[in-house]
Amino acid sequence: NAGVTQTPKFQVLKTGQSMTLQCAQDMNHNSMYWYRQDPGMGLRLIYYSASEGTTDKGEVPNGYNVSRLNKREFSLRLESAAPSQTSVYFCASSDGPIFWGNTIYFGEGSWLTVV
Amino acid sequence: ELKVEQNPLFLSMQEGKNYTIYCNYSTTSDRLYWYRQDPGKSLESLFVLLSNGAVKQEGRLMASLDTKARLSTLHITAAVHDLSATYFCAVDATNYGGSQGNLIFGKGTKLSVKP
Repeated sequence: NAGVTQTPKFQVLKTGQSMTLQCAQDMNHNSMYWYRQDPGMGLRLIYYSASEGTTDKGEVPNGYNVSRLNKREFSLRLESAAPSQTSVYFCASSDGPIFWGNTIYFGEGSWLTVV
Repeated sequence: ELKVEQNPLFLSMQEGKNYTIYCNYSTTSDRLYWYRQDPGKSLESLFVLLSNGAVKQEGRLMASLDTKARLSTLHITAAVHDLSATYFCAVDATNYGGSQGNLIFGKGTKLSVKP
């Protein structure tokens, strides 16, 4: 059981370049999330998708776009990468909303460096 | 603004000893999560606490929630080296202007258990 799978695992970008982080889950979960983790910090929510076709901004959405392609896949796009977006990105999913007490399952993370 | 503070941020302890990690948060919430993260790895869900007075135990770890005090604790009993990791608490911010799925994380407690 793969759980939440993210690609790529490592990426180096030049300032101004664009890229898309891919995420897929095989747990038939409705909700999916993108978080970022900076050194010495907890995770911060970038975007959230309650179900296929819906997305909502999280705590730090600026500079990012997302697409909930279908129930399994939720991608994160950096249109014009900036050094401040150097971070570790985690995709996650849950069966339902967290305010129902659902457990969030995280992917392995994608290490992104913008130079 | 919902803030989550963990202490201590660093904890070095000897095997066999007991210790408690504290998680304070600034506004009322009755949904709190504890996660474990090993270096370079994803976050693993440990406990989901959904009501005042909730207590959950798994092996040498026990978590509790006091919503009136806005405090959760993670107690470690007779620590072993395998417990070395970073532990995060996270509070659901859905009712405080956050989008659904917006967990506010503490900065984490880096635990090192030495022989």
